[in-house]
Amino acid sequence: GENVEQHPSTLSVQEGDSAVIKCTYSDSASNYFPWYKQELGKGPQLIIDIRSNVGEKKDQRIAVTLNKTAKHFSLHITETQPEDSAVYFCAASRDGGFKTIFGAGTRLFVKA
Amino acid sequence: KAGVTQTPRYLIKTRGQQVTLSCSPISGHRSVSWYQQTPGQGLQFLFEYFSETQRNKGNFPGRFSGRQFSNSRSEMNVSTLELGDSALYLCASSPSEARRNTIYFGEGSWLTVV
Repeated sequence: GENVEQHPSTLSVQEGDSAVIKCTYSDSASNYFPWYKQELGKGPQLIIDIRSNVGEKKDQRIAVTLNKTAKHFSLHITETQPEDSAVYFCAASRDGGFKTIFGAGTRLFVKA
Repeated sequence: KAGVTQTPRYLIKTRGQQVTLSCSPISGHRSVSWYQQTPGQGLQFLFEYFSETQRNKGNFPGRFSGRQFSNSRSEMNVSTLELGDSALYLCASSPSEARRNTIYFGEGSWLTVV
């Protein structure tokens, strides 16, 4: 069946370093790839997304890259700050479809 | 613009009871979906509603049900609660038919079954 694999499950970085989270999807028809940040006690917040007609998208300190051929996409956070500490989820879906497949999540710790 | 609003935020129920959770989508959003989040299973799709009609349902028993009202508000109900139903229940809304996979989540309702 369709699935999204996410790595690593836990990531610890020093404040100011970069963090990279990687996901692989199985459904080659997927064309929409959002990323969510979930802080403790809160719901997931959509932080950035990318569609398959674009290879890279950047928003201040976060960026996403997509390799459609390899069915990989990644989240890059530069100059990490303690407030970046959270669980990050990747997801994949098809435009016009309802089914969104989520990765298992990455718990990011940013040490001050 | 206000986000997705869910009530109640926290609740404790006893096995065998039933529970109703409420959701108000982002203004103008007509599609509402529900997810269950647990540490072991991650985010699992429950159901999706659009214009008061359930369009899709995940792999959950019939004890889980929902509905959507004409103002796009939604409720989900779980009957005969089991300990395993303890979870964070997330409501999400989507801006349009074409972008039904662009999901904005609420803060969730934390359900503990004892």
